[in-house]
Amino acid sequence: TQLLEQSPQFLSIQEGENLTVYCNSSSVFSSLQWYRQEPGEGPVLLVTVVTGGEVKKLKRLTFQFGDARKDSSLHITAAQPGDTGLYLCAGAQSYGGSQGNLIFGKGTKLSVKP
Amino acid sequence: DTAVSQTPKYLVTQMGNDKSIKCEQNLGHDTMYWYKQDSKKFLKIMFSYNNKELIINETVPNRFSPKSPDKAHLNLHINSLELGDSAVYFCASSLRVTVRSEKLFFGSGTQLSVL
Repeated sequence: TQLLEQSPQFLSIQEGENLTVYCNSSSVFSSLQWYRQEPGEGPVLLVTVVTGGEVKKLKRLTFQFGDARKDSSLHITAAQPGDTGLYLCAGAQSYGGSQGNLIFGKGTKLSVKP
Repeated sequence: DTAVSQTPKYLVTQMGNDKSIKCEQNLGHDTMYWYKQDSKKFLKIMFSYNNKELIINETVPNRFSPKSPDKAHLNLHINSLELGDSAVYFCASSLRVTVRSEKLFFGSGTQLSVL
């Protein structure tokens, strides 16, 4: 069974600070996605990374996929209250042919105070 | 228009009852899913259907029975509800079976509370 460990579990920071959230596994994933979930809503996809070493930027958010495709990080620059939410990483299983499914990490709950 | 809609939003019921959650997507996707999110926010897949055919059935009690009358709908029926079934249930869809990088579109969830 492939597992994804996210850290930290909780993060409370002031507006303007930088932060990094980590997603680690001992297994290889064919791709990794990051979702953000707000209270009372379903997760919404932020980005998908596919290639080992890949870096993607989405405004103040920078996503990186590890060279070995076992880990990923999300860095937020100058966090804003609107960034508050639950951040989930999800890895696509690297086996099982076309019947892969997403394995989710347990999430990082981010709170950005004004 | 809501892409993935599920009803009801909240469901409060007594132990032992039978209940259903409905889900519909208007995105023209082939694949639909049911996920369960526990109190610690851990999201775990329960079922996946591709074009009305069951393709993923994780270790879920037989009391849970999904039904897909067509590829735009995936309903979840739960028999003999137990306290441990309390959670938020999310319906989701993707263009096709999740291979490498398919994007999942989630509904807004059904919060089930079993008393």
